[in-house]
Amino acid sequence: QLQLQESGPGLVKPSETLSLTCTVSGGSISSSSYYWGWIRQPPGKGLEWIGSIYYSGSTYYNPSLKSRVTISVDTSKNQFSLKLSSVTAADTAVYYCARDYNALRFDIWGQGTMVTVSS
Amino acid sequence: DIQMTQSPSSLSASVGDRVTITCRASQSISSYLNWYQQKPGKAPKLLIYAASSLQSGVPSRFSGSGSGTDFTLTISSLQPEDFATYYCQQSYSTPQTFGQGTRLEIK
Repeated sequence: QLQLQESGPGLVKPSETLSLTCTVSGGSISSSSYYWGWIRQPPGKGLEWIGSIYYSGSTYYNPSLKSRVTISVDTSKNQFSLKLSSVTAADTAVYYCARDYNALRFDIWGQGTMVTVSS
Repeated sequence: DIQMTQSPSSLSASVGDRVTITCRASQSISSYLNWYQQKPGKAPKLLIYAASSLQSGVPSRFSGSGSGTDFTLTISSLQPEDFATYYCQQSYSTPQTFGQGTRLEIK
């Protein structure tokens, strides 16, 4: 069964770049029909979609974050990654990776990883 | 961006109750509407997609309806494991956006 697992630093300093990786197991990231997305959730708040990527490298981002976000894919490792630059305390959140079926719905999620932005 | 507004923001109910949560979009989104359940400390779980299709493995007491701008999630008979926060999400246009959530609590 397909599983997703986020990894990366739990603490990032203000103005630096947040970097996370999502490892896909139990299936191929190169499957057609699936994008792979990042969603975040600040403590006690709702969900915000960050962006998604297709295995070919095609991306689409939330315009509110687009200037700071880069999502990339490594099909040889069955992984995709998130980079968010110039972070502030407002970027403190649980970050989830998820399978994005045809850019229509997030049907499988990772467990999430908490990232705190603080000096 | 399309704004998604859920009501109520919180709801108290008892085991066995029938519960309905509403989600309204700021413009028509056809049937590009999904519902998720999130329990504390856990990732969201897809319940309903395309407004009314039940995700595989989800109990049949969950159902969804609506199109255009108004949607509902109904739980026909609440079970103890259903107490959680529920989110709607539109995938009609970029950026995909979520409602603010409805917290379902035990009465």
